Amino acid sequence: RKEVEQDPGPFNVPEGATVAFNCTYSNSASQSFFWYRQDCRKEPKLLMSVYSSGNEDGRFTAQLNRASQYISLLIRDSKLSDSATYLCVVNTGNQFYFGTGTSLTVIP
Amino acid sequence: NAGVTQTPKFQVLKTGQSMTLQCAQDMNHNSMYWYRQDPGMGLRLIYYSASEGTTDKGEVPNGYNVSRLNKREFSLRLESAAPSQTSVYFCASVTILAGYNEQFFGPGTRLTVL
Repeated sequence: RKEVEQDPGPFNVPEGATVAFNCTYSNSASQSFFWYRQDCRKEPKLLMSVYSSGNEDGRFTAQLNRASQYISLLIRDSKLSDSATYLCVVNTGNQFYFGTGTSLTVIP
Repeated sequence: NAGVTQTPKFQVLKTGQSMTLQCAQDMNHNSMYWYRQDPGMGLRLIYYSASEGTTDKGEVPNGYNVSRLNKREFSLRLESAAPSQTSVYFCASVTILAGYNEQFFGPGTRLTVL
């Protein structure tokens, strides 16, 4: 079983739409959770950490459900500049496990 | 601060050739990582170094060796390149802290093995 699984998409949404990405992880001992953004042929960059209480950064909201081992990312009022691949990342001990990424294209 | 730097940015090798990918960070981080990224596979961990002087295998270590030269530098060596090692290689560094471990990535090395 993979450590981290996420829906690869692609998601094609119009500007202004709300879109949600989901991710599950297999190791209940995992201690930290993140969403990274990766633009085409570039390195991943941290979008936000994910906390059990949920956290929000502008149009982005991340949630963690430890009981279900489930992580989500919600993007409201999508912009063209949000087009990218979103990676779910789980930290277990000294290692980081990446999902395969979910591709988002925001259409004018 | 340059963050994490990688050299070279691009490389083409013939099967059987060897090369070393270089990575350096100036953020005084303890841990450094080497990943490869293939289409549809996500990032997979090759090797990591939790601290200076230590290295450990990740998910896909076969065909690679690493050296943690000092706290700043972590190199990845391909002794005898194979076409299956055609990939984009990313180096990352992080200081493991309770509750928050942001990885910083280098710009990547795009390697083609013919």
